[in-house]
Amino acid sequence: DAMVIQNPRYQVTQFGKPVTLSCSQTLNHNVMYWYQQKSSQAPKLLFHYYDKDFNNEADTPDNFQSRRPNTSFCFLDIRSPGLGDAAMYLCATSRDTDKSEYFGPGTRLTVT
Amino acid sequence: RKEVEQDPGPFNVPEGATVAFNCTYSNSASQSFFWYRQDCRKEPKLLMSVYSSGNEDGRFTAQLNRASQYISLLIRDSKLSDSATYLCVVNEGFKTIFGAGTRLFVKA
Repeated sequence: DAMVIQNPRYQVTQFGKPVTLSCSQTLNHNVMYWYQQKSSQAPKLLFHYYDKDFNNEADTPDNFQSRRPNTSFCFLDIRSPGLGDAAMYLCATSRDTDKSEYFGPGTRLTVT
Repeated sequence: RKEVEQDPGPFNVPEGATVAFNCTYSNSASQSFFWYRQDCRKEPKLLMSVYSSGNEDGRFTAQLNRASQYISLLIRDSKLSDSATYLCVVNEGFKTIFGAGTRLFVKA
């Protein structure tokens, strides 16, 4: 049974058109993360939630926002996607911030 | 200096070979350490945690040297199915940092 679910798996959006990616978890983990991964690069942490507390990485562009309405769901909003935002977006969860992370299958975003 | 550095690879080895990956990290206050495996176009999956005492899981052995800020992964008797990218991951308590990964190709 899938424990971290991401929808959609593939998303195509137009340059500048807002897009929302979703993530849900059945693990009841406290922490949810969003990563961006480009080809042949390491996953790059964008931000994470510890419960309702939002933690933004210093170098995450303002174009990226996140919402966590409840324990199970977390959303990534890209307000005005640019061509450089095309990437795999990975959602992950963990019981605590120093514990191992469980990843969802990712959403591959294409910007046209 | 990168926060987490790994051998870039790729490593091309025959089936049955033993292969070792190395990783160094820059923050001496780092708290926990992991190896993840990532298959092409898939998500990273936890391979094993890494402890100072060293730990083994079947054909896989991980070692941590805090004094040298060095982590290793040894794979014995390589299988074709071991072909993947291996990511060294360091957790600083509130932040997880991934290495760029080392690609492994195991050939028959």
